Amino acid sequence: DSGVTQTPKHLITATGQRVTLRCSPRSGDLSVYWYQQSLDQGLQFLIQYYNGEERAKGNILERFSAQQFPDLHSELNLSSLELGDSALYFCASSPRGSEKLFFGSGTQLSVL
Amino acid sequence: AQKITQTQPGMFVQEKEAVTLDCTYDTSDQSYGLFWYKQPSSGEMIFLIYQGSYDEQNATEGRYSLNFQKARKSANLVISASQLGDSAMYFCAMTYAGNNRKLIWGLGTSLAVNP
Repeated sequence: DSGVTQTPKHLITATGQRVTLRCSPRSGDLSVYWYQQSLDQGLQFLIQYYNGEERAKGNILERFSAQQFPDLHSELNLSSLELGDSALYFCASSPRGSEKLFFGSGTQLSVL
Repeated sequence: AQKITQTQPGMFVQEKEAVTLDCTYDTSDQSYGLFWYKQPSSGEMIFLIYQGSYDEQNATEGRYSLNFQKARKSANLVISASQLGDSAMYFCAMTYAGNNRKLIWGLGTSLAVNP
């Protein structure tokens, strides 16, 4: 158990809908990272937050947004969903001063 | 551009034998970090081992060791005494100075451990 908690584990929805994925980082970790793993593109960095503020952006679509709350949990919002958004979405956190990233178990999103 | 290459899409190993999973990287940065993660069929991404570019000793974590050859830009994962539970996808990944721990990933190697 990495200590990073993601909910829900599975999500099935229809095209055009909006979903919210939730992540709680390891106790004490201030940084949260979101990654997407799809069959055609592999693993890609989406966005990073540090102590409530956006720190870095990767290949995140405009239809996607994220935030980190004062209690350090983070949410990834995906809207106007398309079939191609079906993927495994990971959240990760890292201890301050460490290079190591610890991942949650992921949310498997299926858009039908 | 920074890149991770894993040239073995699939590997087989007999239980209790050692296996080496290959990883080469490309970066012009002097400061970088190399990671190996394991992804079993259940989907979670499990941290295995980390090697910093300035670390002089090869990293080890239990049965896992990282064979770091800086001049050849390789960071191979060695698993000793393979177990059936080692069957999984293995990903090599890299961060580099200034990218704030955004991981760049290889395409992975699927390892099957035979009894």
